[in-house]
Amino acid sequence: AQSVTQLDSHVSVSEGTPVLLRCNYSSSYSPSLFWYVQHPNKGLQLLLKYTSAATLVKGINGFEAEFKKSETSFHLTKPSAHMSDAAEYFCVVEYYGGSQGNLIFGKGTKLSVKP
Amino acid sequence: DTEVTQTPKHLVMGMTNKKSLKCEQHMGHRAMYWYKQKAKKPPELMFVYSYEKLSINESVPSRFSPECPNSSLLNLHLHALQPEDSALYLCASSQDLPGQNYNEQFFGPGTRLTVL
Repeated sequence: AQSVTQLDSHVSVSEGTPVLLRCNYSSSYSPSLFWYVQHPNKGLQLLLKYTSAATLVKGINGFEAEFKKSETSFHLTKPSAHMSDAAEYFCVVEYYGGSQGNLIFGKGTKLSVKP
Repeated sequence: DTEVTQTPKHLVMGMTNKKSLKCEQHMGHRAMYWYKQKAKKPPELMFVYSYEKLSINESVPSRFSPECPNSSLLNLHLHALQPEDSALYLCASSQDLPGQNYNEQFFGPGTRLTVL
C-alpha cells in the first residue's frame, strides 16, 4: 500500500533564507511522487515530479526535491525563499490499486515567508 | 491550450436548488477527475472518468451527479445539497489513465461553493 507523510504542518522562514519541506512516503512499488503548490483560493499547480530518471528533480520557481530510497523521503527545497512562495504545499504519491490508481495527498505544509 | 478551466468561480445556493459545475480541458487528456477540498485539508477524490466513462466513484452521496458529455467536458450536477457540502470543488485531468506511471494531474482553479 502507498502512503505519504508530511512531517510539518507549518513552516515559517524569512525572505531570502532556505526552505525545507519534509515528506516521507511508503510504497510497495517504485513510487510516482509529486509536489503540488496551492496559493490561497487557487487550484493546485504541479511544482515537480519524480520519474526515476534522476534522483534530484528540478521544478518550477527554483524548487527542487531529492528522492532518497534508503530514507523513503522526497523533501522539497529552495535555496532562497521569496514572499510569493507563501502557500500550501502537498506531497503526493500515486496509488496503484489494480487499474484504479489515483493520487494520495499528504496533509499539506503551510509555508509562511516573513519579510 | 495547457490549462483546465472551471466555471463558475463562486456559487452560492440554497438546499433546494439545482446547479451545475463545469470543467473543460483541451489537452486531449483521457481521464478527468472531481475533487472536494475543505478548508485547511488536502483534496479528496470524488469521481474519475476514463475515456468518458465513470471508472471511480468514491462513495459520494447521490446528491452529487457527475456527467461527461465528451472527452473535453466534465460536469458536476448538484441537487439538495447540505451546508456541510460547502467547499472548493476542483477538477483535474491527466494524459494517461489512473494507474499509469508518473501520471500527473492538471488542476483547474476550482469552484468555491457555499450552501446556505
